[in-house]
Amino acid sequence: EVQLVQSGAEVKKPGESLKISCKGSGYSFTSYWIGWVRQMSGKGLEWMGIIYPGDSDTRYSPSFQGQVTISADKSISTAYLQWSSLKASDTAMYYCARGMAAADFHHWGQGTLVTVSS
Amino acid sequence: EIVLTQSPGTLSLSPGERATLSCRASQSVSSSYLAWYQQKSGQAPRLLIYGASSRATGIPDRFSGSGSGTDFTLTISRLEPEDFAVYYCQQYATSPGTFGQGTKLEIK
Repeated sequence: EVQLVQSGAEVKKPGESLKISCKGSGYSFTSYWIGWVRQMSGKGLEWMGIIYPGDSDTRYSPSFQGQVTISADKSISTAYLQWSSLKASDTAMYYCARGMAAADFHHWGQGTLVTVSS
Repeated sequence: EIVLTQSPGTLSLSPGERATLSCRASQSVSSSYLAWYQQKSGQAPRLLIYGASSRATGIPDRFSGSGSGTDFTLTISRLEPEDFAVYYCQQYATSPGTFGQGTKLEIK
């Protein structure tokens, strides 16, 4: 069974750094794209970026390029989303999701709620 | 970047009725790389349709997708109480992938 398990909720202050994780199991981690999707409270889904763990090919939405870093560690089947300096506007639920043929997200993590507040 | 526009924003229907949701792209979506997702309150999205018309694993056959190029449709043939949720289309033909703004399907 394919599973994506995300790290737990985070409460941070503006300016702090953060790295959240998404651990894949039940499939060959290096063979499928993993993406990150943001959902601010009461709003729609936003495509942030994707990574192919097999060769670390990474693509970003222009809206998020330079604001976050997506990475993956093949040895532990885990993808990451990180910020170097959080803002209050980064407060949102973040989902990881796994593609099938491409970035069609057949499998989703449970979400990680990030709250940034002074 | 391909912009997806969903209509209507809100659709009010009764159980047993047919729902038709639209997704229009600002440019052609190649290879019909268009997906539909359902999201219920407090839950992660769930894939319903990929490749414009293929049902994902475990999705009931009352859900169907159609379309190509710039115009796509999600049809729910006969609404069940559990179908009332928010629906998003997504294109994954080009990077960045993009989502539509969503259609809320509510009980009339």
